[in-house]
Amino acid sequence: EDQVTQSPEALRLQEGESSSLNCSYTVSGLRGLFWYRQDPGKGPEFLFTLYSAGEEKEKERLKATLTKKESFLHITAPKPEDSATYLCAVQSRGGSQGNLIFGKGTKLSVKP
Amino acid sequence: NAGVTQTPKFQVLKTGQSMTLQCAQDMNHNSMYWYRQDPGMGLRLIYYSASEGTTDKGEVPNGYNVSRLNKREFSLRLESAAPSQTSVYFCASKKKDEQYFGPGTRLTVT
Repeated sequence: EDQVTQSPEALRLQEGESSSLNCSYTVSGLRGLFWYRQDPGKGPEFLFTLYSAGEEKEKERLKATLTKKESFLHITAPKPEDSATYLCAVQSRGGSQGNLIFGKGTKLSVKP
Repeated sequence: NAGVTQTPKFQVLKTGQSMTLQCAQDMNHNSMYWYRQDPGMGLRLIYYSASEGTTDKGEVPNGYNVSRLNKREFSLRLESAAPSQTSVYFCASKKKDEQYFGPGTRLTVT
């Protein structure tokens, strides 16, 4: 059964304190791994897609990396506006029509 | 370009009442999805539509029906609402492999 586990559930950082969020997955053939950001009361906002081990994507203070078993979302020198819940999702090669399996998310709080 | 829009934003129903959640996208995407999000459960797929005229069940379809009215619109219907359907509902549409979400409907069933 395809599964996604995110850790930690919650993370508190001081502004400027770099850290990483983890997404471990088991899937019957990975088609793609996706990172989303979700602000309170809003829908998830697409951040990155990763397709193969070793691939990296960057956007401002965020960098996503992928191995055969997990993905990391590295946050460099975070700011309070980076506070949000970060969701990881996978799409398997056997999955129907692009269906995603989501993790439960990591809630990030960045204090000034 | 509004992206994915959902109505209503909030709704309170009594057990047994029915309602339809509306979703529309203006990005000319073929695939559309309905998810529910519950605390501690993550996003779970209810139904999806790969193209106009087709719909398929997702992980948690019981108690719901859907209609793909045209390429733009994909509605979710609760025929007889139950307290277990209290949740936040998100609609999404897909371009290539990436799904884009609407702002959500917060539904409470009492």
